Amino acid sequence: QKEVEQNSGPLSVPEGAIASLNCTYSDRGSQSFFWYRQYSGKSPELIMFIYSNGDKEDGRFTAQLNKASQYVSLLIRDSQPSDSATYLCAVTSYGKLTFGQGTILTVHP
Amino acid sequence: DTGVSQDPRHKITKRGQNVTFRCDPISEHNRLYWYRQTLGQGPEFLTYFQNEAQLEKSRLLSDRFSAERPKGSFSTLEIQRTEQGDSAMYLCASSLLGITGELFFGEGSRLTVL
Repeated sequence: QKEVEQNSGPLSVPEGAIASLNCTYSDRGSQSFFWYRQYSGKSPELIMFIYSNGDKEDGRFTAQLNKASQYVSLLIRDSQPSDSATYLCAVTSYGKLTFGQGTILTVHP
Repeated sequence: DTGVSQDPRHKITKRGQNVTFRCDPISEHNRLYWYRQTLGQGPEFLTYFQNEAQLEKSRLLSDRFSAERPKGSFSTLEIQRTEQGDSAMYLCASSLLGITGELFFGEGSRLTVL
């Protein structure tokens, strides 16, 4: 079992729709959870982090965490073509950050 | 520019040669990480430093890979006797101690082994 798994993509949504990205992790001791965005040919950049169960909102982005289910998600509301990128879920464990394989999101006009 | 910088950005080498990459982190960041990323995959953890101490090295990492961070500033990643399977983007990232997970990445060093 992979340490961090993301829902298979690619995911394609129309402009203005809600994009939903999902992630599960295997280490119950994980404490911190992150979403990174990576544009094609660029390096990952942090967009959201969440530490506690529940929802955390930042503009059009909402991160959701359910530690009992070992599940993290990212919702992007009012999706824009500029949101088209690979979204990486990442989890901290023993001081290091472990990434999932990423989900490619395409927002079409 | 006060971001993470990596050098060289691109390296093409022949199988069996040694290569070295350099990373200069954000100056006040204590932690420095090396990751490897291949097409269609997320970054794979290689190793990380807290100041000059190497705290963890991936079990999957071959003995041909070695990393250093002398004086707790810049870091180097050396790959000896390169193989075609080493072809990848090598990413360096840094963070502040105590804020694990909030990494700032450099632009990466792309290695192509012929």
